[in-house]
Amino acid sequence: AQSVTQLGSHVSVSEGALVLLRCNYSSSVPPYLFWYVQYPNQGLQLLLKYTTGATLVKGINGFEAEFKKSETSFHLTKPSAHMSDAAEYFCAVAYGNNRLAFGKGNQVVVIP
Amino acid sequence: NAGVMQNPRHLVRRRGQEARLRCSPMKGHSHVYWYRQLPEEGLKFMVYLQKENIIDESGMPKERFSAEFPKEGPSILRIQQVVRGDSAAYFCASSREPGTGELFFGEGSRLTVL
Repeated sequence: AQSVTQLGSHVSVSEGALVLLRCNYSSSVPPYLFWYVQYPNQGLQLLLKYTTGATLVKGINGFEAEFKKSETSFHLTKPSAHMSDAAEYFCAVAYGNNRLAFGKGNQVVVIP
Repeated sequence: NAGVMQNPRHLVRRRGQEARLRCSPMKGHSHVYWYRQLPEEGLKFMVYLQKENIIDESGMPKERFSAEFPKEGPSILRIQQVVRGDSAAYFCASSREPGTGELFFGEGSRLTVL
């Protein structure tokens, strides 16, 4: 069965510092992997996705993620945090018919 | 440039009442998905529908919950005889094709059961 693990429900990062959010997945088939961002009282917005091909994926707002099959990981990074990055971030793996299995999310707080 | 539209955005019900949540997918999308988000939890898949058909309802509670996506009009998620544990945010998503994994989400309907 497909599943996603995100550790550390709350992540604090200083403005200008590296943002690193970890995601490990379990999948019985080659995975399609996603990162979504959710701002307060809003829906989820796609940040980036990995399906096939290049393992380093670039997304919106300066985020990128690297698919590492050997580590079953898809960690999200951004070199320099901005105040507007404060939000909740969800990693997800797709399985059959576009269903997504989500992790529990990381609430990112950016400290000025 | 209408995205996925959900209404109502906020709904308050007393225990035992019915809740109806509506979702209009993006233009050109015929696949609709409902997810539930409980506090401190990620989203959990509930049901996947195409026009007039339920494709996968493996995430739906066995009782009180139902979903439809009629030929005309929005998809509806119906919860009968609501209980406090039904309080959550319910998100609808749509896609043009199955299999890509890329879903477009609405802003959600937040149900509060008193």
